[in-house]
Amino acid sequence: GQSLEQPSEVTAVEGAIVQINCTYQTSGFYGLSWYQQHDGGAPTFLSYNALDGLEETGRFSSFLSRSDSYGYLLLQELQMKDSASYFCAVRARNTDKLIFGTGTRLQVFP
Amino acid sequence: GAGVSQSPSNKVTEKGKDVELRCDPISGHTALYWYRQSLGQGLEFLIYFQGNSAPDKSGLPSDRFSAERTGGSVSTLTIQRTQQEDSAVYLCASSPGGLTDTQYFGPGTRLTVL
Repeated sequence: GQSLEQPSEVTAVEGAIVQINCTYQTSGFYGLSWYQQHDGGAPTFLSYNALDGLEETGRFSSFLSRSDSYGYLLLQELQMKDSASYFCAVRARNTDKLIFGTGTRLQVFP
Repeated sequence: GAGVSQSPSNKVTEKGKDVELRCDPISGHTALYWYRQSLGQGLEFLIYFQGNSAPDKSGLPSDRFSAERTGGSVSTLTIQRTQQEDSAVYLCASSPGGLTDTQYFGPGTRLTVL
C-alpha cells in the first residue's frame, strides 16, 4: 500500500526559511507533488518532482530522494500569505491514482 | 478557460435524506477525482474516473456513496440516507490524464447533515 507522513504543524516567522518533510511508503510511484491549501480554499498545485533532486520555482523548492523514500518542500523568504496547509502526494504505479499525505499546517508569524 | 466548478457550494440536509453533488471538470480533462475533507483534516480519496476505464471506487466509505460520470465529463456524487458523519467538504479535481500529477480542484461543496 501507500502512505505519506508529514509533520502536523510547523511555525516560523516572516522572512525565515522552513522545510516541510514528507516520508513515504509505497510500492512504486511516478513522482512527488506538493499542493497548498489556504483555510476555506481548494488545494492548488505547487510543484512536481519526477526525478531525484531539487526543483526550484521562485521562493519554493521541492526535493525528492527515492533511495531514502523522502522528499521535502522548502519555502524561503516566508510571507504571511504562506500560512496554509501543505500536502505532498504521489501517483502510485499500481493504481494510477494520486494519494495525498497527512498535510502540514504552516503558520507564519510577524 | 473555466476551471473546475462544483454545485451547490453549500448544502444543508436532514439526516436520512439523499443528496447529489455535481462536478464540472475542465474541458478535455480525462481524469476526475472526488475527495472528502473534514475540518482541519487531510484529503480522503473517494473515487477516481479515468477516461472510459472502470472507476476506482476503493475509497467510497460505504454503499450509501456512489458516483457516476456521464459522457466522460460531468460527474455526480450521490450520498443516500445521509448521516451526521457525512458532514464535510467534498472536493472534485480533474487532470489531463496520462502521467501528469497536476490536479485542478474545484471550490468544493460544504455538506452539513443535521
